[in-house]
Amino acid sequence: GDSVTQMEGPVTLSEEAFLTINCTYTATGYPSLFWYVQYPGEGLQLLLKATKADDKGSNKGFEATYRKETTSFHLEKGSVQVSDSAVYFCALSLGGYQKVTFGIGTKLQVIP
Amino acid sequence: EAGVAQSPRYKIIEKRQSVAFWCNPISGHATLYWYQQILGQGPKLLIQFQNNGVVDDSQLPKDRFSAERLKGVDSTLKIQPAKLEDSAVYLCASSPYGTGDPPLHFGNGTRLTVT
Repeated sequence: GDSVTQMEGPVTLSEEAFLTINCTYTATGYPSLFWYVQYPGEGLQLLLKATKADDKGSNKGFEATYRKETTSFHLEKGSVQVSDSAVYFCALSLGGYQKVTFGIGTKLQVIP
Repeated sequence: EAGVAQSPRYKIIEKRQSVAFWCNPISGHATLYWYQQILGQGPKLLIQFQNNGVVDDSQLPKDRFSAERLKGVDSTLKIQPAKLEDSAVYLCASSPYGTGDPPLHFGNGTRLTVT
């Protein structure tokens, strides 16, 4: 079945460090790909998305590029802040009814 | 716009008891999802509604879980009887549905503890 694999955390970085969270997917068709974020005490919310190969999604300084050849959608940010501390979920959507499948989540902690 | 509303926020029950969760999606959103999120895992889809019809319930344990969405708006998820392994956060999400894969809007969830 369709699935998403993302790196396990937690990931601990110093402020202004470079962030990469790896995500790969398995799908029977051509999915749309997403990163959702859950800040402490809040609900899940969309961070960015890409709907076709080679698309780049970006938001709040985060970027991810849809790589069909490697079935990947890695999340990157050039300089993290303490406020970026959260759990990040990679997800895919496939099919006419937009079924969304999530990865296990990666917890990011940024220390001053 | 008002967000997705869920209640209660927390629930503690004993095994074999029953429990129900309620969700009110964003007005006009045709698609409603219930996810189960066990500690340390990603959200797992239990059931997906398109208006008031079920489009995916393949991972819903139908011997104990049931869900309905009357009139294509509010939804309730019920567990009867509960087991220890049902302890999790139950997330409701809604989406306007359409081309371009509109995002899911999540509620804050109901944290269920089964003792």
